[in-house]
Amino acid sequence: AQSVTQLGSHVSVSEGALVLLRCNYSSSVPPYLFWYVQYPNQGLQLLLKYTSAATLVKGINGFEAEFKKSETSFHLTKPSAHMSDAAEYFCAVGGEGAGGTSYGKLTFGQGTILTVHP
Amino acid sequence: DTAVSQTPKYLVTQMGNDKSIKCEQNLGHDTMYWYKQDSKKFLKIMFSYNNKELIINETVPNRFSPKSPDKAHLNLHINSLELGDSAVYFCASSRKRGGAETQYFGPGTRLLVL
Repeated sequence: AQSVTQLGSHVSVSEGALVLLRCNYSSSVPPYLFWYVQYPNQGLQLLLKYTSAATLVKGINGFEAEFKKSETSFHLTKPSAHMSDAAEYFCAVGGEGAGGTSYGKLTFGQGTILTVHP
Repeated sequence: DTAVSQTPKYLVTQMGNDKSIKCEQNLGHDTMYWYKQDSKKFLKIMFSYNNKELIINETVPNRFSPKSPDKAHLNLHINSLELGDSAVYFCASSRKRGGAETQYFGPGTRLLVL
């Protein structure tokens, strides 16, 4: 079964500082990995995804993530935080195994709330 | 133009009632999903339909019954509501079924059972 663990339920940074949100996955097959962002009282919006092409994936709003198979990680980074980045971030793995019951479902991590201080 | 829309946005009801949540997508996608986000913000899939066929059915009480009248709509009916059903329910859609497919989420329906 696939699973995702996000280390740190809360991360706090100063405006302009580096943002690092950690995600580790468990999967018996090469994974498809996603980062979604959820602003208060809104739905989830895709930031970026890894689908076995380049290991460094660039997303929207200046975010990027690097797939590291040896570390089973897919950490999300942004060089300089902005106040508008304050939100909750979810890492997810896409279910594989065509025809199986997990095929196509997203399994989410617990979420990380990012706070940005002025 | 809203890609994935849900109605209602808020739903407050009494225990024991029956309620429905509607979802529509105008993206031309084949696959739709229902997710539940609990009070701790944990997101878990409930159901998925592909071309109106049920393909994912997680361990959800049978009080929850999804219905897909066509590819663009996926509704969720809940019978005999319980306090524990209070949550945010998200509908999502993807172009097709597959682990690499991006899922597009609706704004959520906030259900409070009193």
